[in-house]
Amino acid sequence: GNSVTQMEGPVTLSEEAFLTINCTYTATGYPSLFWYVQYPGEGLQLLLKATKADDKGSNKGFEATYRKETTSFHLEKGSVQVSDSAVYFCALSIGNAGNMLTFGGGTRLMVKP
Amino acid sequence: NAGVTQTPKFRILKIGQSMTLQCAQDMNHNYMYWYRQDPGMGLKLIYYSVGAGITDKGEVPNGYNVSRSTTEDFPLRLELAAPSQTSVYFCASSPPGTYLGEQYFGPGTRLTVT
Repeated sequence: GNSVTQMEGPVTLSEEAFLTINCTYTATGYPSLFWYVQYPGEGLQLLLKATKADDKGSNKGFEATYRKETTSFHLEKGSVQVSDSAVYFCALSIGNAGNMLTFGGGTRLMVKP
Repeated sequence: NAGVTQTPKFRILKIGQSMTLQCAQDMNHNYMYWYRQDPGMGLKLIYYSVGAGITDKGEVPNGYNVSRSTTEDFPLRLELAAPSQTSVYFCASSPPGTYLGEQYFGPGTRLTVT
């Protein structure tokens, strides 16, 4: 089956620190990969995506590269802000009927001023 | 566009009671989904629909029912509520075509069963 594994949180960083959140996956097909973000009290929002190997998704200073050889899609940001404090979810879709997503368990990021 | 809307925001149920969580989207999306999110956990798919009149079970469908009579609405019914159904419920929708996996989420309904 399909599965997504993320590093456990919480991750606590000081403002302007470098962020990496690890994500690895297993999939029966050729997946598209996603990072979703959930701010406190809100629903999930798509942060970035990549649909084929070596693609780099980017948005709001966050980046992630689709690495087929290591089945990974690690999220990075060069300089985090307090406003980046949220829960980050890695997810995959194999283009099945219904565009269903398989989510990782989420990683909480806390950024201190 | 309002996007995906959910009502109510919060609800407390007694064991054995029933209720319907409402979900609506105004983006003309074919696909809609219901998830539950337990504390500190990821999202688990309860039911999904690929269009009006078509629904299918997800990973954790027991204790729930859905219907999809229109493109816009996708209500989730809880029958005989149990403490194990205490969770935050998210509705989502997805456009048709090649938007593989890109979903739009509502703000959630926090349900407590006591």
